[in-house]
Amino acid sequence: TAGITQAPTSQILAAGRSMTLRCTQDMRHNAMYWYRQDLGLGLRLIHYSNTAGTTGKGEVPDGYSVSRANTDDFPLTLASAVPSQTSVYFCASSDSVSEGNEQFFGPGTRLTVL
Amino acid sequence: GQNIDQPTEMTATEGAIVQINCTYQTSGFNGLFWYQQHAGEAPTFLSYNVLDGLEEKGRFSSFLSRSKGYSYLLLKELQMKDSASYLCAVSDSNYQLIWGAGTKLIIKP
Repeated sequence: TAGITQAPTSQILAAGRSMTLRCTQDMRHNAMYWYRQDLGLGLRLIHYSNTAGTTGKGEVPDGYSVSRANTDDFPLTLASAVPSQTSVYFCASSDSVSEGNEQFFGPGTRLTVL
Repeated sequence: GQNIDQPTEMTATEGAIVQINCTYQTSGFNGLFWYQQHAGEAPTFLSYNVLDGLEEKGRFSSFLSRSKGYSYLLLKELQMKDSASYLCAVSDSNYQLIWGAGTKLIIKP
């Protein structure tokens, strides 16, 4: 099985443009997450979804939106990109939101906003 | 506030043992995870501790002391492929993971 896939692998985006980062999992996991990873900082949660049809804000949600129309897909949208959104974005999933459930990560999307 | 502290970088010799420490202060505690992340790749799960004590898994062991807000990851018989960043993450009261910045481990021959 593929696990979690993300697209694109990398992207250079002009400031002010919009973009959607795609994430798909085939493990039938209930919970999904979007993180950004910046040098010297830990992974920071942007948005999460505990189950299809629901979403929630993480630590750094401003400038980002998500939707969870079905179990498999969890796209992340930047409505109007700014240079501070230059980062590596990881999508992750877990079977459920409960004790001990490890998160599985996609390969990441490297985004540069100029 | 919530805080996870781990050393930025460590160096060890192939074949040796290394201990990576993690201290935490979080709102609630539902377990502590260790992940490995090779450069340019995604994090992968190594271990999970929710009770005090040592969990052993092959060459890797993880220890937890909840009263001290402390954990360590012990890597034995180091191999060159163990060169990576090691991420400590605490599951908080909402089961969300709070992540440390990671410890970059450099293995020298």
